[in-house]
Parts: sequence; C-alpha cells; structure tokens
Amino acid sequence: KNQVEQSPQSLIILEGKNCTLQCNYTVSPFSNLRWYKQDTGRGPVSLTIMTFSENTKSNGRYTATLDADTKQSSLHITASQLSDSASYICVVSGGGSYIPTFGRGTSLIVHP
Amino acid sequence: KAGVTQTPRYLIKTRGQQVTLSCSPISGHRSVSWYQQTPGQGLQFLFEYFSETQRNKGNFPGRFSGRQFSNSRSEMNVSTLELGDSALYLCASQPGTTPSTGTGELFFGEGSRLTVL
Repeated sequence: KNQVEQSPQSLIILEGKNCTLQCNYTVSPFSNLRWYKQDTGRGPVSLTIMTFSENTKSNGRYTATLDADTKQSSLHITASQLSDSASYICVVSGGGSYIPTFGRGTSLIVHP
Repeated sequence: KAGVTQTPRYLIKTRGQQVTLSCSPISGHRSVSWYQQTPGQGLQFLFEYFSETQRNKGNFPGRFSGRQFSNSRSEMNVSTLELGDSALYLCASQPGTTPSTGTGELFFGEGSRLTVL
C-alpha cells in the first residue's frame, strides 16, 4: 500500500532558528516527491520537486533532500521567519497510480 | 494568469441538505481533481476529471459526485449532508494535454470551507 508518513506532526520554533521536517514513504515505483506549503485558510503551494536522480534542491531558505534508497526526504528551513508558519505537506507520485499519495502534513509555528 | 478559482469560499448547511461547489481551473489546464481536507485526516482524494471524463475516484460514498464541463470547469456535489462532511474542499488543476502519470505539479484553489450543522 502506498503511504507517506510525516514527522513531527507539529513543531514550534523561535524566529531565526532552523528546523527540519521529515517525510518517509513506501510508494513504489517512485516517480517524484513534492513539498507543499499551506498557509492557514489557503490552498497548498508547491515548494520543491525531487526526482529519483536528485539528492538536494534549494528554493531560497528551503532545502529539500531525497534518499531514494531509504525512501526518505527532508525539508530544511533556514533562519525561520514568521511567514514560515504553515502546514508542510509531502506528496509522492508513483506507485502505479495516477493520483499522488499525500502525507498528513507538519504544522509549523514560528514565534517571535 | 489567473489561478484556480473556487466558489463559494464559505458555506453553512444543515444535515440532510445538499451542496454544490464550483472550480474554475487555470486556463489551459484540462485535469481537475478534488480533495477533502480535515484536521485529522489531511488531504483525501475525492475524484479527478480530464476532458469531461472521470478518470479516478477515491474511497468516498456515492453521496459525493462531480462532473466537468467542456470548458474544463468542474463541480462537485454532496447530497444528504452529514456532520462529518464538514471540511475544507480543495480543487486542483494540472497542465498537460493528454492523460499522464500524474507527476505534474498540482495548482490548488483557496478551497471551499463547508460547515454542516
């Protein structure tokens, strides 16, 4: 069964600190992995996409990593800002399904 | 380029009623998918349409239905509403002119927040 597990479920950090969110998946065969950011009351927006051959990809202060062997991905946020407060959703495509598999998300709160 | 537009943004219904939600995809996008989002379950796939045909369906009861029009706009309907149907309903569109493996980026609307009393 295709599954995506995210940890932690929620995270509170102080502004300016770094943090790392985790995503483990069982989707096979693997096609790609995306991280989405969802602000409260808004729709999710794609941050990065990772394909099988990519290990690291950055988008500003967001850096995603992928280990296709262990089926793990992480999203590292550097020098957090209040605007980073949001839910971060890991989405994995593949597994013989047209529809991607969604994680339940990590809720990040950044305090001043 | 206009994004995905969902209407209405908020609505309140009572048990037993029905509701219709609308989604206008990004111009040129022919694939539209619908999702239910609740705090406990995250995003749950409802169904996906491509060129007016339902290509995929999630594990939801028959009270949930949808359709897509020739201009790619889509509607979803929930009949005989239950308290558990209270959720944020998200619509997403994808580019591409032919059915693909679904590896493309999903462009989401702001959602329709449904409250069932």
